Amino acid sequence: DGGITQSPKYLFRKEGQNVTLSCEQNLNHDAMYWYRQDPGQGLRLIYYSQIVNDFQKGDIAEGYSVSREKKESFPLTVTSAQKNPTAFYLCASSITPSGRATDTQYFGPGTRLTVL
Amino acid sequence: AQSVTQLGSHVSVSEGALVLLRCNYSSSVPPYLFWYVQYPNQGLQLLLKYTTGATLVKGINGFEAEFKKSETSFHLTKPSAHMSDAAEYFCAVNPTSGTYKYIFGTGTRLKVLA
Repeated sequence: DGGITQSPKYLFRKEGQNVTLSCEQNLNHDAMYWYRQDPGQGLRLIYYSQIVNDFQKGDIAEGYSVSREKKESFPLTVTSAQKNPTAFYLCASSITPSGRATDTQYFGPGTRLTVL
Repeated sequence: AQSVTQLGSHVSVSEGALVLLRCNYSSSVPPYLFWYVQYPNQGLQLLLKYTTGATLVKGINGFEAEFKKSETSFHLTKPSAHMSDAAEYFCAVNPTSGTYKYIFGTGTRLKVLA
């Protein structure tokens, strides 16, 4: 079955540590996205990538970094510079490089990050 | 800047009653519109979307939504609520020009009472 996988489902981190969240898709989609979800705030875009080896900052990129070395993979690193990293992180993908407005975004199951 | 407003962060309905979740957008040009559902600790699943054509859109699980340009609205309805409909619902818009990034509403949590 095609889909998006995120791992781990739950992640605990000590303050001052970097941590990397995994996102893999086998939908053959060109575009991939990372969102952060906080209670009562909806989803906010962190980074997105429309094609391999290219990515752009979203609305809340500070304290995060990404890479896109393979079409299937778009890992997100939460760095120690992120002041309030405890949140639910969602990865998504859509089919075309241009991310056409009509394209549906498909979401992974999410990773819940807690900073201790 | 475009925005999405979901009126009511929490909505409660009785089982079998009508479900109405409201979504309004602000845009000078009608965007493309989406409704997603999220069950606890899961990702988002597409319920339905409006791009062009018929303004009444039918989705999965008996949900439908109507695009009303004059009211800049895209409200989600279901004639008869089921216990399994309890979840959080998100409205999203995607501009028809520019960088095509989704803008999400803050979500409405639906509770279904037995």
